[in-house]
Amino acid sequence: QSALTQPASVSGSPGQSITISCTGTSSDVGTYNLVSWYQQHPGKAPKLMIYEDNKRPSGLSNRFSGSKSGNTASLTISGLQAEDEADYYCCSYAGSTTFEVFGTGTQVTVL
Amino acid sequence: QLQLQESGPGLVNPSETLSLTCTVSGGSISRTTHYWGWIRQPPGKGLEWIGTIYFSGSTYYNPSLKSRVTISVDTSKNQFSLKLSSVTATDTAMYYCARSPMSTVFGVRQGYYFDYWGQGTLVTVSS
Repeated sequence: QSALTQPASVSGSPGQSITISCTGTSSDVGTYNLVSWYQQHPGKAPKLMIYEDNKRPSGLSNRFSGSKSGNTASLTISGLQAEDEADYYCCSYAGSTTFEVFGTGTQVTVL
Repeated sequence: QLQLQESGPGLVNPSETLSLTCTVSGGSISRTTHYWGWIRQPPGKGLEWIGTIYFSGSTYYNPSLKSRVTISVDTSKNQFSLKLSSVTATDTAMYYCARSPMSTVFGVRQGYYFDYWGQGTLVTVSS
């Protein structure tokens, strides 16, 4: 099972919106509504941002939203802020043999 | 507030077994609503799921690591543990433990994402 494909980097100016894609296959992203997204600042543990494709954990800013179309999931960050600069990883359930597969990761830069 | 803390040797010799423990505080590992997992991250690289366990001892593993991985739970100590055998330099990584809320999908109950993470512990495989 290969890792889900994400762009290596995405950048935007403060206040703008950016979207990070996460491309899988019909065996993972395309079949299950079980994509999660994690934010990771340097030297820190990952933090859950989105689960089950588009649900936000309690207390998380609504600037973060998740969506999916076919085999590609997306994380959109609106009103980009300096504190959003981090690495972002998607993850999807991939069936009862592979279980969980992470994406390759995307570095977000706030210009 | 739930907290998870990884512990174990930071240096392991090649061909030996890596052993780590995750201690859970602020909540019971025996809650029926959660699973518990291990994830690792080689330096400068991405995340890799290792495996997940329920308090009953039920486990599921990454097929690429399954032959070398054992995850166990000790409910009396509110801990769960990871053993990875026959390690090589490619097993050098930051190892994280995390909590995974249970969901039911297509009739299968298990954890599908991780909502609380430990701070991680770096394990280096070298002689």
